[in-house]
Amino acid sequence: AQTVTQSQPEMSVQEAETVTLSCTYDTSESDYYLFWYKQPPSRQMILVIRQEAYKQQNATENRFSVNFQKAAKSFSLKISDSQLGDAAMYFCAYRFPGGGADGLTFGKGTHLIIQP
Amino acid sequence: NAGVMQNPRHLVRRRGQEARLRCSPMKGHSHVYWYRQLPEEGLKFMVYLQKENIIDESGMPKERFSAEFPKEGPSILRIQQVVRGDSAAYFCASSFLGLRTDTQYFGPGTRLTVL
Repeated sequence: AQTVTQSQPEMSVQEAETVTLSCTYDTSESDYYLFWYKQPPSRQMILVIRQEAYKQQNATENRFSVNFQKAAKSFSLKISDSQLGDAAMYFCAYRFPGGGADGLTFGKGTHLIIQP
Repeated sequence: NAGVMQNPRHLVRRRGQEARLRCSPMKGHSHVYWYRQLPEEGLKFMVYLQKENIIDESGMPKERFSAEFPKEGPSILRIQQVVRGDSAAYFCASSFLGLRTDTQYFGPGTRLTVL
């Protein structure tokens, strides 16, 4: 079974600084998808960024970028120039599109605190 | 361009009652996924439906829980004879085609409290 591990229950960063959130996963598959979702206090789940495992290039969305290390099964999220609005729970998620299981597998989340 | 809609946002039930949670997918989306989030946990997949079909219910508890996505109207997650352990946030997500490349877009969730 696939598992997703986020080893940092909580992270704190100064406004305008850069922070990296860690995520590792366990899979025997070679073709899969990885995601970072943000859950602010409103509890809405918002897609931040996605990465296809077959792509070597790391995904980037404005201030958000990933460091995807396929061999190490690592998928970290870097947030540059942190803003107060970035404060939220961040969930790493995995999806293997096959084997009869179509849902996302989520980690337990990292609570990101932005210090003004 | 409305996103995924869920209602109610908050639902309170007493033990033994039934809970019905509704999800309207994004316009043009015909694939719906239900997830449950227990306190301090990540989301756990429950069930994946297309119109009138359950595709994958591998995460659904075997008893008391059922889901449907009729030809017309929203998807419904139904919990019969609720117990305190059912208290959680229930999220619905939708995707366009259900293909392996599709991104799932989430609704705001329904927070169920069982007294």
